[in-house]
Amino acid sequence: AQSVTQLDSQVPVFEEAPVELRCNYSSSVSVYLFWYVQYPNQGLQLLLKYLSGSTLVKGINGFEAEFNKSQTSFHLRKPSVHISDTAEYFCAVQGAQKLVFGQGTRLTINP
Amino acid sequence: DTGVSQNPRHKITKRGQNVTFRCDPISEHNRLYWYRQTLGQGPEFLTYFQNEAQLEKSRLLSDRFSAERPKGSFSTLEIQRTEQGDSAMYLCASRPNDPKPGNTIYFGEGSWLTVV
Repeated sequence: AQSVTQLDSQVPVFEEAPVELRCNYSSSVSVYLFWYVQYPNQGLQLLLKYLSGSTLVKGINGFEAEFNKSQTSFHLRKPSVHISDTAEYFCAVQGAQKLVFGQGTRLTINP
Repeated sequence: DTGVSQNPRHKITKRGQNVTFRCDPISEHNRLYWYRQTLGQGPEFLTYFQNEAQLEKSRLLSDRFSAERPKGSFSTLEIQRTEQGDSAMYLCASRPNDPKPGNTIYFGEGSWLTVV
């Protein structure tokens, strides 16, 4: 069975500061990992995904994530955040046919 | 590409009433998913269709919940005798036909249910 743990429920940062949102996974099969973003009152939008190959994955809006098999982690990073990055971020692992999500991390950007 | 469409976007209903949500997936996506998301939580899987066949149901899907996809295109999720605990956002998603693992699952904007 697959599971995801997002270690921080909320992360406040100042505008233009770097940010890291942490995600640990558990999977007994091949690992496919995803980060989705949810803006207020909206559905989920794919930020990036790791399927295989390079462990550093680049996504939209300047985000990137690094797959670390030994630490079973898939942390999301951005070197400089903007007010518009305020949202809920979800890490997910793909099971046989469906996605299993973490509980989410609320990213708030302070001016 | 019009994306995954859900309606209604918001529904307020009295406890005990029935509600139905509709989802139109991206054209020609044969896989369709329903998830439920409560405040402050991640989406939880409810059920999954491949074409018109319902292949998996979560234990979260009590007997008051029923989902259909009669022609393998749009889907409906009905909740009978609603309870306050059913208040949540119901998300629909679809996935391309290519069975390759890791294909992106595309989400709609969700249908908010408030049971009063």
